[in-house]
Amino acid sequence: GESVGLHLPTLSVQEGDNSIINCAYSNSASDYFIWYKQESGKGPQFIIDIRSNMDKRQGQRVTVLLNKTVKHLSLQIAATQPGDSAVYFCAEGFTAGFQKLVFGTGTRLLVSP
Amino acid sequence: NAGVMQNPRHLVRRRGQEARLRCSPMKGHSHVYWYRQLPEEGLKFMVYLQKENIIDESGMPKERFSAEFPKEGPSILRIQQVVRGDSAAYFCASDAQGAKVTEAFFGQGTRLTVV
Repeated sequence: GESVGLHLPTLSVQEGDNSIINCAYSNSASDYFIWYKQESGKGPQFIIDIRSNMDKRQGQRVTVLLNKTVKHLSLQIAATQPGDSAVYFCAEGFTAGFQKLVFGTGTRLLVSP
Repeated sequence: NAGVMQNPRHLVRRRGQEARLRCSPMKGHSHVYWYRQLPEEGLKFMVYLQKENIIDESGMPKERFSAEFPKEGPSILRIQQVVRGDSAAYFCASDAQGAKVTEAFFGQGTRLTVV
């Protein structure tokens, strides 16, 4: 079946560096994508979303890029902080439907002081 | 304004017992979603409910699992005759209108351990 996957299971960076987390999706019909942050023992926390009619969206210290040609999604975190250490998931869905999201496996981000 | 409340946070059951997981949506939210997360994996959709209605249960195992969202009280995910493979974190999310995915908020989850 169609699925969302990530390239790197673990990403280690130094505090202050920029982090890039990547995600590949295979359902070309998906028109909505979300990045979630999940800290140990907690539920997923919404970070940023993007719709398929956009290529880029910026938030506070985060940017999501969408490349529909190669079905690729990335999350960029500027000036990474120790508090950013968590597992990051991308998820895909449909704006026309209810919240039935397909999640990727996740990338663990480790930020060293 | 309290967020999505799930309880218990941790639940231990012996094989063959029943597990009941509860989810109280955010105030004003009438749509509830249940997801399951196995260790080191992403969340998998299980079921979508509105008050007194199951809208989509395409992610629910065919046997032993059931869900309800009564007119009054929390949504309940019930797992009968649990097996070790049911050990996972179960997350509930809620939103106000169902179709607006950006408004869905997740609870802290219930971690079920079957021994």
